[in-house]
Amino acid sequence: QQQVKQSPQSLIVQKGGISIINCAYENTAFDYFPWYQQFPGKGPALLIAIRPDVSEKKEGRFTISFNKSAKQFSLHIMDSQPGDSATYFCAASKGGGGSNYKLTFGKGTLLTVNP
Amino acid sequence: DSGVTQTPKHLITATGQRVTLRCSPRSGDLSVYWYQQSLDQGLQFLIQYYNGEERAKGNILERFSAQQFPDLHSELNLSSLELGDSALYFCASYGTGNGYTFGSGTRLTVV
Repeated sequence: QQQVKQSPQSLIVQKGGISIINCAYENTAFDYFPWYQQFPGKGPALLIAIRPDVSEKKEGRFTISFNKSAKQFSLHIMDSQPGDSATYFCAASKGGGGSNYKLTFGKGTLLTVNP
Repeated sequence: DSGVTQTPKHLITATGQRVTLRCSPRSGDLSVYWYQQSLDQGLQFLIQYYNGEERAKGNILERFSAQQFPDLHSELNLSSLELGDSALYFCASYGTGNGYTFGSGTRLTVV
């Protein structure tokens, strides 16, 4: 049972464009929604995270939009750059992402930003 | 450097063998999580330890076991290895205010 569904599997964007990755979750107990960025040969690194009490969070060029009623959240990368080319994972956790709660990951999106 | 150290980086072994993967969490972090990353299953939670005690189990096979030692480093033991166990194995540590930090992983290849 896949509790977090991520789409698309892959995405190609031109430099300067907007990259959008979507995730949907099933478990209404989830209350912490992070996005991770992973480069080849590296572990996932936290990019940005949101809790369900807000509908949007922005950090630099990265924005999370959250729709609690639809149980969906998305990552927007504005002014995409070739250096953003990586695999992006959405995740969800209970307990506000605290130390006793595992992350449930989507299957990832391979983003390629062409120069 | 994330502060989470995993060794070895690469491991090639034969079917039926046993291997041990090691993880040193970020200084001060008490929680260690192990995840398996494969192409078909993505990142799957295996097991969590907190200050030496097992706290949660995920999709971990009975052939796999783990422990966390008094110095907080953790080891994941994989035995009776099968071709399908080939994957990237990540550990992550958790610290209040820092969230989860992943190591660079151990790539296991079973031949």
